[in-house]
Amino acid sequence: GENVEQHPSTLSVQEGDSAVIKCTYSDSASNYFPWYKQELGKRPQLIIDIRSNVGEKKDQRIAVTLNKTAKHFSLHITETQPEDSAVYFCAASMDNYGQNFVFGPGTRLSVLP
Amino acid sequence: NAGVTQTPKFQVLKTGQSMTLQCAQDMNHNSMYWYRQDPGMGLRLIYYSASEGTTDKGEVPNGYNVSRLNKREFSLRLESAAPSQTSVYFCAPLEQETQYFGPGTRLLVL
Repeated sequence: GENVEQHPSTLSVQEGDSAVIKCTYSDSASNYFPWYKQELGKRPQLIIDIRSNVGEKKDQRIAVTLNKTAKHFSLHITETQPEDSAVYFCAASMDNYGQNFVFGPGTRLSVLP
Repeated sequence: NAGVTQTPKFQVLKTGQSMTLQCAQDMNHNSMYWYRQDPGMGLRLIYYSASEGTTDKGEVPNGYNVSRLNKREFSLRLESAAPSQTSVYFCAPLEQETQYFGPGTRLLVL
């Protein structure tokens, strides 16, 4: 089955700097890669996603890149702000079958003022 | 996310007690999922239901049962709670390719 690894497990950056979180997946059939943000005590919220027919997607200060050959995808946050502090989860999925929806272990991002 | 409700929000049980966690969605989605999230950990799939009347085991199904009697509701039952089941439980309907999470139920088993 699919296995998703995520690095780093914790990340501290200064406010205004960029943050990058990387995930690797094992199943080349996976074709949908969402990212979730979870603030303390709250539910995971979808922040951006990418499909396998696209190499990069941007939404304001966040972007996701996908390298299908290497089977890895990354979340990039620019101009970080204190409210970006949270745990970020990546996931990999195949088609519309949620049973193949596999999450990474998470990255705790701290943005220091 | 506003279309997913979970009850109760918080529950304390004694070892051996039983309870049912309820999840309801008003978004008319076929597929629904139950995850648990232990402190400082990721999300692990307990059970899922691809459509009304069907259920399948996920990664960590032991100690749980589920019921999908209609399209709207998907319940998770603990027949005999154990301290290892202390966790936060999230219900997540699947909309096309994306899962949207309910607010969660925080369960403490003493």
